Amino acid sequence: TQLLEQSPQFLSIQEGENLTVYCNSSSVFSSLQWYRQEPGEGPVLLVTVVTGGEVKKLKRLTFQFGDARKDSSLHITAAQPGDTGLYLCAAIQGAQKLVFGQGTRLTINP
Amino acid sequence: DAGITQSPRHKVTETGTPVTLRCHQTENHRYMYWYRQDPGHGLRLIHYSYGVKDTDKGEVSDGYSVSRSKTEDFLLTLESATSSQTSVYFCAISPPGGLFGANVLTFGAGSRLTVL
Repeated sequence: TQLLEQSPQFLSIQEGENLTVYCNSSSVFSSLQWYRQEPGEGPVLLVTVVTGGEVKKLKRLTFQFGDARKDSSLHITAAQPGDTGLYLCAAIQGAQKLVFGQGTRLTINP
Repeated sequence: DAGITQSPRHKVTETGTPVTLRCHQTENHRYMYWYRQDPGHGLRLIHYSYGVKDTDKGEVSDGYSVSRSKTEDFLLTLESATSSQTSVYFCAISPPGGLFGANVLTFGAGSRLTVL
């Protein structure tokens, strides 16, 4: 059983469209992170959200932490081919251990 | 991948042979981790270390052992590799605490292991 469920697992859209991916859990977390991974490389941290209801923006990417701190979303506006990659959410489970969702593989077609 | 390197980057081996993957960091971070990544499962924690000779198990530790004799090196060993251990293995490092108590992981580029 996955502690963090990401949806959709795969998403392929055209350049310029908007999209949202989700990270859900039945557990409450003190914080949640989003990573992006490109082929042949390790994941790279995009953002950490800590407060319930928090919204953070990173250029065209908007991250939101649910009010109950059980879920999060990543919204991309006007997607570009450079946004293509695997997006992973992660949350703290116990001391100093991160648990990851299974990821959303995003493809932006020119 | 600044400050963290994994070796080998690619390895093909046969079932039953021992395999050791190495993670080397130059950041002097206390915490080091080994994850495996498989389609549909995301990243799963194998073992982690919170200091020299201090290690603990993650969620998928069966069949794996680790050692950390120096701050900079964290070794992952498969004593007798099986086909189910075919995967991409990632090492990560983090300083203690981090922002708001959350870990900030820096990952290596990965080691792709194929067990035939």
